[in-house]
Amino acid sequence: EPEVTQTPSHQVTQMGQEVILRCVPISNHLYFYWYRQILGQKVEFLVSFYNNEISEKSEIFDDQFSVERPDGSNFTLKIRSTKLEDSAMYFCASSAGTANRGGYTFGSGTRLTVV
Amino acid sequence: AQKITQTQPGMFVQEKEAVTLDCTYDTSDPSYGLFWYKQPSSGEMIFLIYQGSYDQQNATEGRYSLNFQKARKSANLVISASQLGDSAMYFCAMREGKDNFNKFYFGSGTKLNVKP
Repeated sequence: EPEVTQTPSHQVTQMGQEVILRCVPISNHLYFYWYRQILGQKVEFLVSFYNNEISEKSEIFDDQFSVERPDGSNFTLKIRSTKLEDSAMYFCASSAGTANRGGYTFGSGTRLTVV
Repeated sequence: AQKITQTQPGMFVQEKEAVTLDCTYDTSDPSYGLFWYKQPSSGEMIFLIYQGSYDQQNATEGRYSLNFQKARKSANLVISASQLGDSAMYFCAMREGKDNFNKFYFGSGTKLNVKP
């Protein structure tokens, strides 16, 4: 079964450093997403991306965040200057957007720890 | 108002028994989808079951069934014949609108512990 692949699975970074979280969505999917889950809390929507541009973003997705699809296969989330409160699990997801039943496919997540 | 409410932070169930995890939702959109995901301690999100707002029958997937009560805006997950491997966090989620690419709203989750 096709998978959404996220790398790395765990990243530790110092406060103030830039991090890039990487995702390879399912190849024929057209819609891409990032979600965040702070430890012990609910999963929250960050941003959706379609046709090489952001289609929706949440209040969380401020100027320190950016997304990119640099080469037609990868989908990245960049955090410019990390803060302690950015420590969370980050999930990438993709969707074909067709009228099929069911939801997205989520990746297995990147656990980001900011120290 | 919360879009998805899960009122049970933690649940215990005896192995081989059935368990119901509660979920209520809030939307004014007539078209929506309801989902349940399982999150084991390793962290990944595993899709379990989907119910569309216009579906007449309750969804079933193996040991999982969704008790969809539209008038009450509830979408409870029923796990039959619990197994030790069912111990995990369970999240209810909703996608509003008819478009399959809209964002998800998640509940706060229920941690299920299956006792041997």
